[in-house]
Amino acid sequence: AQRVTQPEKLLSVFKGAPVELKCNYSYSGSPELFWYVQYSRQRLQLLLRHISRESIKGFTADLNKGETSFHLKKPFAQEEDSAMYYCALSGLNTGKLIFGQGTTLQVKP
Amino acid sequence: DAGVTQSPTHLIKTRGQQVTLRCSPISGHKSVSWYQQVLGQGPQFIFQYYEKEERGRGNFPDRFSARQFPNYSSELNVNALLLGDSALYLCASSRTEGGRNEKLFFGSGTQLSVL
Repeated sequence: AQRVTQPEKLLSVFKGAPVELKCNYSYSGSPELFWYVQYSRQRLQLLLRHISRESIKGFTADLNKGETSFHLKKPFAQEEDSAMYYCALSGLNTGKLIFGQGTTLQVKP
Repeated sequence: DAGVTQSPTHLIKTRGQQVTLRCSPISGHKSVSWYQQVLGQGPQFIFQYYEKEERGRGNFPDRFSARQFPNYSSELNVNALLLGDSALYLCASSRTEGGRNEKLFFGSGTQLSVL
């Protein structure tokens, strides 16, 4: 079955603390993994994607095929990082995204 | 760039009624996808259209249908509404059909309430 699991509904950290948002997936084949973010009163938007191996706003994510995970990390959280984060996957040459349930990140001052 | 636009923003219907939601993609984007987001859940894929052809369908009943017009805008229709259809309906557009380097751009959604 194709599935994305984000085990934490809410993650609360203090400003300056490290952040790790967990994402595990189940997919037969070679999926493409993404992290999408929704800030308050804004649209859902792409944060980063595995294929680009990029760092956006200090966030990185490493695909671990052995553990089928794609955790999102940031060494020092900022208050403006507070948002809802969704992990998602798609297959090759398809626009269909399978989303996890999302994790709310709350960064306290 | 206006981004992906959806209309209406909010909609209230009663059980058994039919509803049509509309989406205009970003200029130059030929693919439109529809997602349903129930409160507390992640978006769930309903349909994808590319160049006016259906390219994918999620696990939704036949009460859900969609189409894409020559100008690449799209409509999502839901017949015989049920209480469980209450959700935020998101539209997303992309330049191509999809793939590793494709980026989806989402609209703000239509909040549908079924009473």
